[in-house]
Amino acid sequence: GENVEQHPSTLSVQEGDSAVIKCTYSDSASNYFPWYKQELGKGPQLIIDIRSNVGEKKDQRIAVTLNKTAKHFSLHITETQPEDSAVYFCAASLFKAAGNKLTFGGGTRVLVKP
Amino acid sequence: GAGVSQSPRYKVAKRGQDVALRCDPISGHVSLFWYQQALGQGPEFLTYFQNEAQLDKSGLPSDRFFAERPEGSVSTLKIQRTQQEDSAVYLCASSSDSLSGVFFGSGTQLSVL
Repeated sequence: GENVEQHPSTLSVQEGDSAVIKCTYSDSASNYFPWYKQELGKGPQLIIDIRSNVGEKKDQRIAVTLNKTAKHFSLHITETQPEDSAVYFCAASLFKAAGNKLTFGGGTRVLVKP
Repeated sequence: GAGVSQSPRYKVAKRGQDVALRCDPISGHVSLFWYQQALGQGPEFLTYFQNEAQLDKSGLPSDRFFAERPEGSVSTLKIQRTQQEDSAVYLCASSSDSLSGVFFGSGTQLSVL
């Protein structure tokens, strides 16, 4: 089955700096890669996703890149703010008629220092 | 509703008790998922429903775990004879179809004493 590795496990940045989180996946058939933000006591919140027919996607201060050949994808957060502090999870899945089962990475705890 | 709703928010059970966790997905969402999240880890897939049909239950850890969605809307995850290792946050998620984003509820934190 699919295996997703996520690095780093913790990341501390100064407010205004950029943060980058990297993930690798094992199943070359995977074609959908979402990113989630999870705050303490809450469920994961979908913040951005990318499909395998796209190499890059941007939404305001957040961008994701995908390298299918190397089987890795990354989340980039620019101009970080204290409210970006949370745990971020990457995930991978194969869209198919029988559902979109997500395999998650281990998470990255991001701390943005004011 | 505006989002995925789960109840109870917290559940404390004595070892050996049965528990039932409820999920109310986003209105109209066909797909419903249950995930288990241990402390400090990413969510792990338990089971998947498309409408009332349970199409994938490969992640259920034992036959003590049972899920249902009889009318294709609300779902219940039942754990029989709870064990300490069942302590975790149980997350429910839904999506409008198998090709759309997956949205999570806030979860039920289960503590088995």
